[in-house]
Amino acid sequence: TQLLEQSPQFLSIQEGENLTVYCNSSSVFSSLQWYRQEPGEGPVLLVTVVTGGEVKKLKRLTFQFGDARKDSSLHITAAQTGDTGLYLCAGEAGTGGFKTIFGAGTRLFVKA
Amino acid sequence: GAVVSQHPSWVICKSGTSVKIECRSLDFQATTMFWYRQFPKQSLMLMATSNEGSKATYEQGVEKDKFLINHASLTLSTLTVTSAHPEDSSFYICSAREGSANYGYTFGSGTRLTVV
Repeated sequence: TQLLEQSPQFLSIQEGENLTVYCNSSSVFSSLQWYRQEPGEGPVLLVTVVTGGEVKKLKRLTFQFGDARKDSSLHITAAQTGDTGLYLCAGEAGTGGFKTIFGAGTRLFVKA
Repeated sequence: GAVVSQHPSWVICKSGTSVKIECRSLDFQATTMFWYRQFPKQSLMLMATSNEGSKATYEQGVEKDKFLINHASLTLSTLTVTSAHPEDSSFYICSAREGSANYGYTFGSGTRLTVV
């Protein structure tokens, strides 16, 4: 069974602080996505990483895909209250497969 | 970008009644759509994969007669919760993907179902 473990499960920080969320697996993924979900809404795609070692930046968010394509991290610099939400990583194994595995999520709360 | 519309956004129903939730891809065709269930403060749990023109594929532990899925066109999938009970109360979300895995999934805005 393929599993994606996310850590930490919950994070409460002060506005302006930096944080990193991790997504780890023993399986190799052909691609991995990060989503953010706000209460009462569906998840919204932030980024997709495909190549081992790949780093993508989205304003204050930096996403990294591990060299072996088994893990990923999301780093937020100078967190803002608007970053509050549930962050989900999702990995897709193989090519052409439709089943995507979701991590349990990291619930981030940024205090003003 | 790809948009998935889900309706209704919330519904309250009495025990024993059935509720239908619609999921539409607005600007792309989706031969496959996915239905998830999410409990408070938890991640998404895949319930079933909806296939256009054929039977849905249900995940282990999900009752196919309880959660009826119909994917009659390339832009519409419906999930019907039959004979709903309070334990069916949850947040239901659908998703679809336009193109390859590199594009990720587009999710609907979810449906909050409360069975009283």
